[in-house]
Amino acid sequence: DAGVIQSPRHEVTEMGQEVTLRCKPISGHNSLFWYRQTMMRGLELLIYFNNNVPIDDSGMPEDRFSAKMPNASFSTLKIQPSEPRDSAVYFCASSPDRATQYFGPGTRLTVL
Amino acid sequence: AQSVAQPEDQVNVAEGNPLTVKCTYSVSGNPYLFWYVQYPNRGLQFLLKYITGDNLVKGSYGFEAEFNKSQTSFHLKKPSALVSDSALYFCAVRDPLGTYKYIFGTGTRLKVLA
Repeated sequence: DAGVIQSPRHEVTEMGQEVTLRCKPISGHNSLFWYRQTMMRGLELLIYFNNNVPIDDSGMPEDRFSAKMPNASFSTLKIQPSEPRDSAVYFCASSPDRATQYFGPGTRLTVL
Repeated sequence: AQSVAQPEDQVNVAEGNPLTVKCTYSVSGNPYLFWYVQYPNRGLQFLLKYITGDNLVKGSYGFEAEFNKSQTSFHLKKPSALVSDSALYFCAVRDPLGTYKYIFGTGTRLKVLA
């Protein structure tokens, strides 16, 4: 199995631009999580999907952030418009049982 | 409220010596406990978990952890450290009766010195 796949691995953009991060979970996993990691705040859960349905988005910082999971093999996290304080590493994780989570390699986002 | 504490920001150990990375938790009921490792520019990799059963859990790369309910601890251990074990280690807890959410500790940087 290829594990959780995320793209792009690195993204540099300018303030105000739209950013879309992509995630392909491990096949057969029915739960998907988006996290953000910064030095100041550590790992923060942004949103959780179960069977493609958003269950809890209380960690999404503000309306500029949105996430979708149109099918079991694909999810996106969109930031529009982006701001410098959104600079972070964004991780996607999937789980077969809502217990053990398997993380992707992350997308390092830099907003100038 | 659930919480996880990793009291040490960094642990230094000589190669070949035993290592311990500490984790304590606060959660109602019987928790699910996890350890993850993060190498530079990589995602978190699952090391081991405690759900139920034997308090000593063995995981990947020779790591093990001991669940101690009375001390609410789940320390990560390895009998003989390798330089390649140098990384950032995260403890996480999940309340099995509550939500699916992990609560992560702040991480402990392990440095194994040759």
